[in-house]
Amino acid sequence: DAKTTQPPSMDCAEGRAANLPCNHSTISGNEYVYWYRQIHSQGPQYIIHGLKNNETNEMASLIITEDRKSSTLILPHATLRDTAVYYCIVRPLTRNKLVFGAGTILRVKS
Amino acid sequence: GAVVSQHPSRVICKSGTSVKIECRSLDFQATTMFWYRQFPKQSLMLMATSNEGSKATYEQGVEKDKFLINHASLTLSTLTVTSAHPEDSSFYICSARDGRTTNEKLFFGSGTQLSVL
Repeated sequence: DAKTTQPPSMDCAEGRAANLPCNHSTISGNEYVYWYRQIHSQGPQYIIHGLKNNETNEMASLIITEDRKSSTLILPHATLRDTAVYYCIVRPLTRNKLVFGAGTILRVKS
Repeated sequence: GAVVSQHPSRVICKSGTSVKIECRSLDFQATTMFWYRQFPKQSLMLMATSNEGSKATYEQGVEKDKFLINHASLTLSTLTVTSAHPEDSSFYICSARDGRTTNEKLFFGSGTQLSVL
């Protein structure tokens, strides 16, 4: 699976948008971009995924660059409960397993 | 949405004993489940892939005789840590794929914190 690079940590003010970047310059054509998050001492939670078009759901938006070498997860109005480790993962749709990298620790501060 | 239940959430055991962790898919059939281990301040490490009705596939470096996986039904997979030692203390997490959907999301249990004394 393509390797991803994320900043180790980010801070965000409560109520503001949190923009989490992810680089995946070696992504191949059949690989999707997935985002999960893990709140302390819990299992990971699915957020969103996409192939090449931008995606939006009730939790977040996913912006994928035209060359697909990077993406940004946007939490439009961050709350304190959004403090977590956010993982960007790329994998083919047909590959079952997820391989986690180090992720980004997002701290939402009041 | 799909729910994965993991039990127990926390277990403390003596060195040398065996511990069983259960992972259930509550509202879907999971032909494949995954077991992860996470040490403090580290990312999740995939241990093995559990396939219903067949032997599990272990990642490199994971001892299959120490971490026994059974996936006897489409809704239940178990991980047994045999002869546990303090170095096995970790956060164990299972996940399952809902094969009914086409978007291939994986759902995770809430994890089991194992402490071996």
